[in-house]
Formats: sequence, C-alpha cells, structure tokens
Amino acid sequence: DAGVTQSPTHLIKTRGQQVTLRCSPISGHKSVSWYQQVLGQGPQFIFQYYEKEERGRGNFPDRFSARQFPNYSSELNVNALLLGDSALYLCASSLIQASYEQYFGPGTRLTVT
Amino acid sequence: GQQLNQSPQSMFIQEGEDVSMNCTSSSIFNTWLWYKQEPGEGPVLLIALYKAGELTSNGRLTAQFGITRKDSFLNISASIPSDVGIYFCAALTGANSKLTFGKGITLSVRP
Repeated sequence: DAGVTQSPTHLIKTRGQQVTLRCSPISGHKSVSWYQQVLGQGPQFIFQYYEKEERGRGNFPDRFSARQFPNYSSELNVNALLLGDSALYLCASSLIQASYEQYFGPGTRLTVT
Repeated sequence: GQQLNQSPQSMFIQEGEDVSMNCTSSSIFNTWLWYKQEPGEGPVLLIALYKAGELTSNGRLTAQFGITRKDSFLNISASIPSDVGIYFCAALTGANSKLTFGKGITLSVRP
C-alpha cells in the first residue's frame, strides 16, 4: 500500500511569492495534518483537517492556509513568503481526527531566496 | 507553550551497545510517541504509549510512559549501524492530533 505522498519534493521560491504544497494521505485515512520542520528542530504543528474541516491550528500567521478535498487529499498554501519560511513541510495522515498514530510523508523542502 | 526537552543533542555509541534517551516536560500528556527520522525522509513512528507506566517493546526498542505523565524514555538494545538517525519524542494532550515534538537526538553508531 502506498504511504503518504507529497509533491513537489523540492521547491525554490523568491521572497513575496506564493506557494502551494500537496499531500495525499494513506488510503482510508481521513485526517491530514501539516507540520513545518526547520533545520535542527522537531516538526511544528500548523494545521489539522478532518472531513474537509479545519480541526486544529498551530501558532502560524494568516499567510498560512490549507484545505482538504473530498478525496481527503490536502493543500497547504503560504502567501507572501519570507526567508524564515524555508523549511521541510511535512504532511501526516491518520485514520480519524483523534488518532494517536500519525504517518508522515517524505516532506517538501521549500527554500525561499 | 508546551515543550518537550530532549538532551543531549547528539549521542555517539559503539555498535552492539545499548543506548537510552529520555524526554521530559513540565506539562502532562496523555500519549507519548517516539519517531525516527533519516535524511530526506519524514519521521517514522517507532512506538506509541497510551497509559502512564506503560512499557512497550518493538524488537530491540523499548519505551516507557512515565508515571507522572510528564516524561518518557526510549531504549535501544544491541545497536546496529542502521539505528543511525534522529530520534524524536512527541506527545499529545487531548482529542486532536496536534503532536508536540522535542528537538530530537542525533544518534551515531560506530562500527
């Protein structure tokens, strides 16, 4: 069975631009969470979506937004990119909203220049 | 905010040795998890702990959920070169999937 997939794998953007990252959860999983991992740190929670609704939001500015589609895939959008947004963006899927076991994709490496 | 403390930042051991790492917090958590991350990959779930005092094994890995619900430890026995990676503790408080992660410990295994 395929695991969590994310696209693209790498991305280079310029300050002020906008970016969209994509995630497909494990088949049958209905919850998707997004995390930002800066080099040398653990992942930081950004959003959780379950059944197409936002169920949790971390301490990130409004430049960050996300959505979940009827097939449970998800997109993370970041507007007005800053140098500090450079990070590995991880998507994790779980069976249900309150599932303790989350499975991560390989991430999208975003570099902002 | 809630923080999980992992130290030291790096550990160096000889192949065949056992290694223990712990994770502490000033906050109470309901679930503790241990993940391993290798270069270019996302974190992989190793062990999940659901009850205070619980001791769980997964092959050469053993983890415990502290009685106070504020800490957890992971033990790796008879280390092998493929144990190399970054080990993160993570924890959950309530009925959502917002994981709080520690900063991770980079494990190196000398053959």
